[in-house]
Amino acid sequence: AQTVTQSQPEMSVQEAETVTLSCTYDTSESDYYLFWYKQPPSRQMILVIRQEAYKQQNATENRFSVNFQKAAKSFSLKISDSQLGDAAMYFCADSYNNAGNMLTFGGGTRLMVKP
Amino acid sequence: GAGVSQSPSNKVTEKGKDVELRCDPISGHTALYWYRQSLGQGLEFLIYFQGNSAPDKSGLPSDRFSAERTGGSVSTLTIQRTQQEDSAVYLCASSPPHWGTEAFFGQGTRLTVV
Repeated sequence: AQTVTQSQPEMSVQEAETVTLSCTYDTSESDYYLFWYKQPPSRQMILVIRQEAYKQQNATENRFSVNFQKAAKSFSLKISDSQLGDAAMYFCADSYNNAGNMLTFGGGTRLMVKP
Repeated sequence: GAGVSQSPSNKVTEKGKDVELRCDPISGHTALYWYRQSLGQGLEFLIYFQGNSAPDKSGLPSDRFSAERTGGSVSTLTIQRTQQEDSAVYLCASSPPHWGTEAFFGQGTRLTVV
């Protein structure tokens, strides 16, 4: 069974500062995808960033980047220049090939952004 | 609209009653998923439909839960004889069939069993 662990239930960051959210996963699969999703109060999950396991280069989307350490099974999310609109729940998730796009989620990290 | 649509947005039901939750996926998306999110928790997989294949029901917590997908499009999640522990947000997502593509989520149905 796959497990995804987010060890930080809550994080806080000052506006314009940088914050890193942690995620570890446990899989015996060699081929998988990793995701970070954002869930604002509207409840709708929004994809932030995606990483293919066989790609060495860390994914980047504007102010969002990941630190993917495959050997350590670690997949952290860095948010630079934090904005008030970044405040939300953030979920780390993975999926592997023979499960279609079924996602296994971590427990989430609530990010608060202070003005 | 172009997104995943779920109805109702909120549902309050009495313990022991049956409820039906509806999901309209994005047109052309062959894969459809149901997840449950209990208060303050992560998302728990319930069931997965892919095209005309038999659904993966491995996440359904009990035989009170069932789901169907008609015509490869709209899906209904049914909970029979609801219990208080069924109270949660039920989220639906859809995606193209290709592995690793983005899953698009609806805004969920918040179910409260009183």
